[in-house]
Amino acid sequence: GDSVTQMEGPVTLSEEAFLTINCTYTATGYPSLFWYVQYPGEGLQLLLKATKADDKGSNKGFEATYRKETTSFHLEKGSVQVSDSAVYFCALSGAQKLVFGQGTRLTINP
Amino acid sequence: EAGVTQSPTHLIKTRGQQATLRCSPISGHTSVYWYQQALGLGLQFLLWYDEGEERNRGNFPPRFSGRQFPNYSSELNVNALELEDSALYLCASSFIGQTRATDTQYFGPGTRLTVL
Repeated sequence: GDSVTQMEGPVTLSEEAFLTINCTYTATGYPSLFWYVQYPGEGLQLLLKATKADDKGSNKGFEATYRKETTSFHLEKGSVQVSDSAVYFCALSGAQKLVFGQGTRLTINP
Repeated sequence: EAGVTQSPTHLIKTRGQQATLRCSPISGHTSVYWYQQALGLGLQFLLWYDEGEERNRGNFPPRFSGRQFPNYSSELNVNALELEDSALYLCASSFIGQTRATDTQYFGPGTRLTVL
């Protein structure tokens, strides 16, 4: 079945550091790919998405490119802020449901 | 535009009782999805409703059930509660449309269910 694997956390960085959170997937067909973010005590917010190969999703300085050849959708940000501290989930859409990775907890220190 | 809303925010029940959770989708969205986020188990798909019908179901026992009303709001019922049902239950909505293609799912803030 479909699955998503994220790099294990937690990840701790200093403010203004470069961020990469790895995400790879296994799926039949060509799913859409998503990154969601969950701030403490809240639900999930859509961060960005890509619907086909080579698409780049971007939002709030975050970017991720849909790579079919490597089945990856890595999340990157050039300069993180304390306010980026949250749990990040990579997900794919399959059979009209979302399949999530296990989540990566990110902490940014000032 | 109002987002997905869920009620109640918190719910405390004892083992064996029934819990009812409610969700109102974004205006214009016809599909509602339910997910369980249990500690250490990540996000698991529970149920999908579209146009009033149950369309897909995750790997959960039958005591997890629900329905979708004519106004597209939805209810999740959990019968015979067990301690391991304690989790954050998230509702999401999307618009499927005539193409039946999956669109982006937008999530509500969740209901935290605690079973004592």
